[in-house]
Parts: sequence; C-alpha cells; structure tokens
Amino acid sequence: KNQVEQSPQSLIILEGKNCTLQCNYTVSPFSNLRWYKQDTGRGPVSLTIMTFSENTKSNGRYTATLDADTKQSSLHITASQLSDSASYICVVSAPRGHGAGSYQLTFGKGTKLSVIP
Amino acid sequence: NAGVTQTPKFQVLKTGQSMTLQCAQDMNHEYMSWYRQDPGMGLRLIHYSVGAGITDQGEVPNGYNVSRSTTEDFPLRLLSAAPSQTSVYFCATRAENTIYFGEGSWLTVV
Repeated sequence: KNQVEQSPQSLIILEGKNCTLQCNYTVSPFSNLRWYKQDTGRGPVSLTIMTFSENTKSNGRYTATLDADTKQSSLHITASQLSDSASYICVVSAPRGHGAGSYQLTFGKGTKLSVIP
Repeated sequence: NAGVTQTPKFQVLKTGQSMTLQCAQDMNHEYMSWYRQDPGMGLRLIHYSVGAGITDQGEVPNGYNVSRSTTEDFPLRLLSAAPSQTSVYFCATRAENTIYFGEGSWLTVV
C-alpha cells in the first residue's frame, strides 16, 4: 500500500531559527513529490514540486530535497518567521494510466510547525 | 482572479439531511476533485473529474455524489448526511503539475 510518513508530527521553534521536516514514502512507481503549506483554516498552497531526477528545489526560504533511492524528502526552512506557522504536507504522486486523471496522489498527515517569538 | 471558490464556508446539518457543496473555478482547468481532511489523517480523495461530463470515484466515495456539467463547476452532494461525514472538504483543480485548492468548507453533521 502506498504510504507517506511525515515527521515530526509537530514542532515548535523560535523565530529566526532553521528547521527541517522529513517525509518518507513507499509510493511506487514514483512521478513527483510536492510540499504544501496549509495555514490554519485555509487550503493547502504549493511550495515545491520535484521529479525523480531533481535532488533539490528552492522557493525563497524553503528548500526541498529528494533522495529517490532511499525514498526520502526533507523540507528545510531557513530563518523562520512567525508567518511560517502552519502545517506542511508532503504529497507523492504515482502514475495511473493515461490522461489528466492519470496520477494518484498520496498525502502525508502533515507536520504542524509553530514559530514563536 | 478568484481561482477555486467553495461555498458555503461553514455548514451544520442534521443527520439525514441533504446538501450540496459548491465549487467553481475560473482557470479553465479540466481536472477537478474533492477531498476531505480529518484530524490525524491526510487528505483523502472523494471524487474527481477529468472534464465536463466525466466523473470517477476516489478513495472514499461512499455517501457522496458528483456531477460535472460545465468546466467551471463541480458540486459535491451529500444525499443523507451522517455524523461520519463531519469533516473539512476541499475542492481542487489541477493543471500541469500544480494543484490549486479552494479555501475549504467546514461541515458538521449532528
């Protein structure tokens, strides 16, 4: 069964500090891996997407890494800000047939990050 | 540019009542979908559509109906609400490799 496991479940850090969130997956075959940020009471918003051949992808202070061999990804947040407080969701995509609906997405449960002053 | 718009934002239903969650998009995306998000669980796919007139079941379709008469709209219907359907519902579109989520609809069934 395809699974996406995220750790830690929750994390509290001081403003200005760095942190790293982990994502391990068993999805196979693999198409791409995405990281989403979900603010409380809002819908998820895309941060990064990486395909099999990409090892790292940055979006401002967010840097995602991917090791397709070990099926692990991480999201590193640099110089955290209060606005980084949110849940971060790892999503792995697997191909399923052809056409627009041809991807199956497996969502992790998310890591809840709290940045405190 | 509104993106993906969901209504209502909040709704309380009694067991057995029916209702429709509305989803509209202005990005002309063919692919639309509905997810539910429950505490301690990842987002789960309810139904999806790859274009007008085409729908298919996702991971947790029981108790929900959908239709897709236009590219823009993808309503989700609960025919007889049950307490187990208390959840946050997200409509999403997809184009290329990016998923665009709506702001969510909070549904409580009592």
